[in-house]
Amino acid sequence: AQTVTQSQPEMSVQEAETVTLSCTYDTSESDYYLFWYKQPPSRQMILVIRQEAYKQQNATENRFSVNFQKAAKSFSLKISDSQLGDAAMYFCAWFGNEKLTFGTGTRLTIIP
Amino acid sequence: GAVVSQHPSRVICKSGTSVKIECRSLDFQATTMFWYRQFPKQSLMLMATSNEGSKATYEQGVEKDKFLINHASLTLSTLTVTSAHPEDSSFYICSAHWGVGTDTQYFGPGTRLTVL
Repeated sequence: AQTVTQSQPEMSVQEAETVTLSCTYDTSESDYYLFWYKQPPSRQMILVIRQEAYKQQNATENRFSVNFQKAAKSFSLKISDSQLGDAAMYFCAWFGNEKLTFGTGTRLTIIP
Repeated sequence: GAVVSQHPSRVICKSGTSVKIECRSLDFQATTMFWYRQFPKQSLMLMATSNEGSKATYEQGVEKDKFLINHASLTLSTLTVTSAHPEDSSFYICSAHWGVGTDTQYFGPGTRLTVL
């Protein structure tokens, strides 16, 4: 079974600083996708960034970027210039066999 | 685009009653919809996958007779919690995507179910 591990239950960062959230996964599949989703207090799941496993280039979306290390099965999220609106739960997710498997989440707090 | 709605957003019911939750894709046709359950301060757990016009596929440990899923059209899936009990109280989230092999899911805003 696929597993997704987020080893940091909570993280905090000063506003305008950079923070990195960790994620590792375990799979025997070669074709899959990886995601970071954000869940603010409203509990609406919001897609932050998507990575295709067959692409070596790391995905970026404005202030959000990933460090995808396929051999190490690692998929970390870097948030640059942190803003108060970035405060949320962040879930790493693995997609394969038509299903999403989520990690346990990291709660990110932004310190003004 | 890619908006998914859920109704109701909150529901409180008495133990033993049934509750229906609707999930709609508003601006696209969803060939596949997913239902998740999220306990407080926990992650999302996939309950079932439903494809339009066919029976839902339930994850191991999910009672299909308790959580009835119907995906009657390309824009609507329903989850009915039958004979609800307090332990069924949770946050239920649906998601949808379109096309075979499409990986990106769009999530509804969730439904908080409280069973008294």
